[in-house]
Amino acid sequence: GAGVSQSPSNKVTEKGKDVELRCDPISGHTALYWYRQSLGQGLEFLIYFQGNSAPDKSGLPSDRFSAERTGGSVSTLTIQRTQQEDSAVYLCASSPGLAGSYEQYFGPGTRLTVT
Amino acid sequence: AQSVTQLDSHVSVSEGTPVLLRCNYSSSYSPSLFWYVQHPNKGLQLLLKYTSAATLVKGINGFEAEFKKSETSFHLTKPSAHMSDAAEYFCVVSKVSPKYSGGGADGLTFGKGTHLIIQP
Repeated sequence: GAGVSQSPSNKVTEKGKDVELRCDPISGHTALYWYRQSLGQGLEFLIYFQGNSAPDKSGLPSDRFSAERTGGSVSTLTIQRTQQEDSAVYLCASSPGLAGSYEQYFGPGTRLTVT
Repeated sequence: AQSVTQLDSHVSVSEGTPVLLRCNYSSSYSPSLFWYVQHPNKGLQLLLKYTSAATLVKGINGFEAEFKKSETSFHLTKPSAHMSDAAEYFCVVSKVSPKYSGGGADGLTFGKGTHLIIQP
């Protein structure tokens, strides 16, 4: 079946602009995650959704970052007033959300470049 | 809190020789452990997972890993390296959250990665 998809695959934006990144999880997966992968910082957890609620937002680096998920499916990560340090690959992953099934399946990522 | 340490940032082996990528973890809860692989300009792919069943876990492409609780290790091995194995490998620990009985760990903690180089 279809895997996790993300759009856009690449995004170049000017400093100070807002951006929206989209994630379509695997159908039926109730858990959804956002991560950021950047040089020198490795891969860091941003936020986790179970259904439409976000029980763990601890990884969001600042209040410029927000995310929502509607209908228990598609999720949008929004970065307001982008800064150059926001440049990274943003990865989305989904998981069945079932006890004992914790593996996550990753999308190809969105490469964000802030100029 | 959980953490993962990948002991080697780079590993270089000759094609046809064994591969060993080392990983140590710490976790406050019963851990689920994973190895992911990332080929250049590709997404992360799950290689294998440990979730408290058998301690020796077999994954895709001939890789396997052994969970050793006494050593808090989860090293990845392969008997014979292939050129296509060249990639970045991540050891990952998941916190099994006690808060959500429906499952779904609240995030993965990634190691910093090991770059595997295969010499012809």
